[in-house]
Amino acid sequence: QSALTQPASVSGSPGQSITISCTGTSSDVGSYNLVSWYQQHPGKAPKLMIYEDSERPSGVSNRFSASKSGNTASLTISGLQPEDEADYYCCSYASSSTLVFGGGTKLTVL
Amino acid sequence: EVQLVESGGGLVQPGRSLRLSCAASGFTFDDYAMHWVRQAPGKGLEWVSGISWNSGSIGYADSVKGRFTISRDNAKNSLYLQMNSLRGEDTALYYCGKDLGGAPTRGFDYWGQGTLVTVSS
Repeated sequence: QSALTQPASVSGSPGQSITISCTGTSSDVGSYNLVSWYQQHPGKAPKLMIYEDSERPSGVSNRFSASKSGNTASLTISGLQPEDEADYYCCSYASSSTLVFGGGTKLTVL
Repeated sequence: EVQLVESGGGLVQPGRSLRLSCAASGFTFDDYAMHWVRQAPGKGLEWVSGISWNSGSIGYADSVKGRFTISRDNAKNSLYLQMNSLRGEDTALYYCGKDLGGAPTRGFDYWGQGTLVTVSS
């Protein structure tokens, strides 16, 4: 159960687009369509942004999208807004009723 | 409205035990898998354990396997985490999370606000 690999930080200016990668292995990200993404503001509980690789829950802005290729999943935020500044985590099913998170990425909106 | 309310956290000495509870409301509890996720101070999220709707499928992180036990009582709409042989590295905010489905596989669409566990002498 090794943590998925995310960049520690990314940044972008308002209106721009950014992409956060999440690299796993053929035992987790690459084997199942079960990657989810979470946004966490300081002092708050995480919020589901994407599930099943690329599905967006109702109520989540369509500025958030996701994809996957092989063992790497990606979250893209378009039209960056100040309120998007937060920590973002990916998570994948990893067999035998276990899940694994990425280390998290701090998004700074410049 | 879905609500998940954790309780049972506190200060505990290394080697001792603690039992966390999560009271669920606002959804059909016995239709969904549930999880525990923790976050050490200033650190990232770590999945701890998950349990299917009928307790038939259970998983643990390697870091807690053999020390922690997850369980649920569908009649009481409650999730539990029995934590034994606690270590300093178990110090964290423990979140209860609802899965999107009945098996502990799809991720978490609702989270509680967490209960803080501090392991220290």
